[in-house]
Amino acid sequence: SQQGEEDPQALSIQEGENATMNCSYKTSINNLQWYRQNSGRGLVHLILIRSNEREKHSGRLRVTLDTSKKSSSLLITASRAADTASYFCATDVAGANSKLTFGKGITLSVRP
Amino acid sequence: GAVVSQHPSRVICKSGTSVKIECRSLDFQATTMFWYRQFPKKSLMLMATSNEGSKATYEQGVEKDKFLINHASLTLSTLTVTSAHPEDSSFYICSASPGLWGETQYFGPGTRLLVL
Repeated sequence: SQQGEEDPQALSIQEGENATMNCSYKTSINNLQWYRQNSGRGLVHLILIRSNEREKHSGRLRVTLDTSKKSSSLLITASRAADTASYFCATDVAGANSKLTFGKGITLSVRP
Repeated sequence: GAVVSQHPSRVICKSGTSVKIECRSLDFQATTMFWYRQFPKKSLMLMATSNEGSKATYEQGVEKDKFLINHASLTLSTLTVTSAHPEDSSFYICSASPGLWGETQYFGPGTRLLVL
């Protein structure tokens, strides 16, 4: 199975609400990254959190990492319709020469 | 900064032909480039890792003679799908990293391949 597993698989919220997406993984990591993909497009890097960090902020994004539980969460505050996209977590597995292993992704729909 | 382009963005070809996809880092030198494949509504699957000047490292199950990768310079990597078949139809995405142990990968916009 995949290294990164996000949940929920799909999330639909109202504009202005917060969106929380979770990711679990199986092996030790160097870092965990979150990416966004609009339909039929490439990926946009959102945020990277290293294995020795617990929380990181970037604008309306807040990422947490719990290495003891091998899980991470991505919080988007005050969501906008433009946040509608697929979100992937990707793990840089320790010793894997910077290869990223992607989760299945979460489809976020933000209703105007 | 950190822009990666792919060309073409979309290609339709006949079964049996070969298709070349280019991946370029426009404003940085990419020591390492990665090629991914993505099926509809699925995740990205890493196909191979290429370092400039050396042979690509392919993931298990990816045929190196089928998917030829050339990383000839620090700004260009190419993926050639040889003798393409309908099952090769997919969305191919490249990414580039500035370091050998680069952390952040910068992704291209992807190439949609349809083999008839």
